[in-house]
Amino acid sequence: EIVMTQSPATLSVSPGERATLSCRASQSVSSNLAWYHQKPGQAPRLLIYGASTRATGIPARFSGSGSGTEFTLTISSLQSEDFAVYYCQQYNNWPPITFGQGTRLEIK
Amino acid sequence: EVQLVQSGAEVKKPGATVKISCKVSGYTFTDYYMHWVQQAPGKGLEWMGLVDPEDGETIYAEKFQGRVTITADTSTDTGNMELSSLRSEDTAVYYCATTGTGNWFDPWGQGTLVTVSS
Repeated sequence: EIVMTQSPATLSVSPGERATLSCRASQSVSSNLAWYHQKPGQAPRLLIYGASTRATGIPARFSGSGSGTEFTLTISSLQSEDFAVYYCQQYNNWPPITFGQGTRLEIK
Repeated sequence: EVQLVQSGAEVKKPGATVKISCKVSGYTFTDYYMHWVQQAPGKGLEWMGLVDPEDGETIYAEKFQGRVTITADTSTDTGNMELSSLRSEDTAVYYCATTGTGNWFDPWGQGTLVTVSS
């Protein structure tokens, strides 16, 4: 099973600033990685797939990078609606499909 | 618009079985896998398994093997997830999701809260 590790667990950033979230895989997942965010009481929403392709309707301030075992999600200028929990997910070697434990992005 | 609409919240006693449904619209049900994901209170996301609605084939995560049954009803475009021998640790929100052309989840159902309590 591929273990996904996200860091940091919590990230405090001010609105308008940049946020950088990390995700590491225990073995290579090529570019088969997705990012989601989840607001309280809501289902997760797809942001990025293929490590760097934005999903339909996702603003350009969200960008993904990386391949192999190291991945980054960058939010260039945080808006109030961006404060949420972010998860990465690998779909290269499955079953099982595995998620990171999440990074909570909170307002500083 | 693709939509996945799940059945309502459930309260079950330990040892019971729960069945949750997920009705899809906006796409051909048999074209894509349907997956189920568990989220315990305050915790992360855990993949439970999937069904291929075209032929009914399933794949389950090892953790849930033997207790979970995922099915697809093509007559109603509805996926179902049944979890048996419930225990308190199964208290969680359960989501269905489809994977479209790749194995990323988009979209998701709204979630169904299952509470296991005596």
